[in-house]
Amino acid sequence: ILNVEQSPQSLHVQEGDSTNFTCSFPSSNFYALHWYRWETAKSPEALFVMTLNGDEKKKGRISATLNTKEGYSYLYIKGSQPEDSATYLCALPMNSGYSTLTFGKGTMLLVSP
Amino acid sequence: GAGVSQSPSNKVTEKGKDVELRCDPISGHTALYWYRQSLGQGLEFLIYFQGNSAPDKSGLPSDRFSAERTGGSVSTLTIQRTQQEDSAVYLCASSSGTGTIYGYTFGSGTRLTVV
Repeated sequence: ILNVEQSPQSLHVQEGDSTNFTCSFPSSNFYALHWYRWETAKSPEALFVMTLNGDEKKKGRISATLNTKEGYSYLYIKGSQPEDSATYLCALPMNSGYSTLTFGKGTMLLVSP
Repeated sequence: GAGVSQSPSNKVTEKGKDVELRCDPISGHTALYWYRQSLGQGLEFLIYFQGNSAPDKSGLPSDRFSAERTGGSVSTLTIQRTQQEDSAVYLCASSSGTGTIYGYTFGSGTRLTVV
């Protein structure tokens, strides 16, 4: 069983604030890490796939970093907007053979205008 | 299709009834997954299909749950004799590959409520 922990469980910020949250995972047998965004009443949407220690990915105001040696990834949102309100999920493959992903419980972000 | 389609979007059923949930993946995606999210829980893996076969069904919670996939395309998840603990959002996803870097395209889910 792969233990994927996300913190905080929820976060409430004001429009314009920058924020970040964490995904923690066992550092042994790392293969890849996926970030998803899940807006209410919509489908989860893929944000990033990260594979190498030190990886940094960016998509607009959202960026992510990866530290495989210590077993964590940070997701940053710069200048949060109400449309960023969503649950952010991280997920890791359970093995190297196929891509069944184990998901964390997510961080629920609410951005108030 | 253009995206992953799930039906119905909402289903309310009485305890003890059988339900069928349908997933139509992206055309050409050979890998198909079912997950569910119960209230307050994370996404829980149920079953994985590669083509029409299911190499990993380790997440099915009991023998009341079954799934099939036909023609390498549409999948049906069947829950027999539904219980209240089966209430959840059931998500289907498909993927163009099966390596660790292949992400999922999700459908919008079926919200199942057992009363």
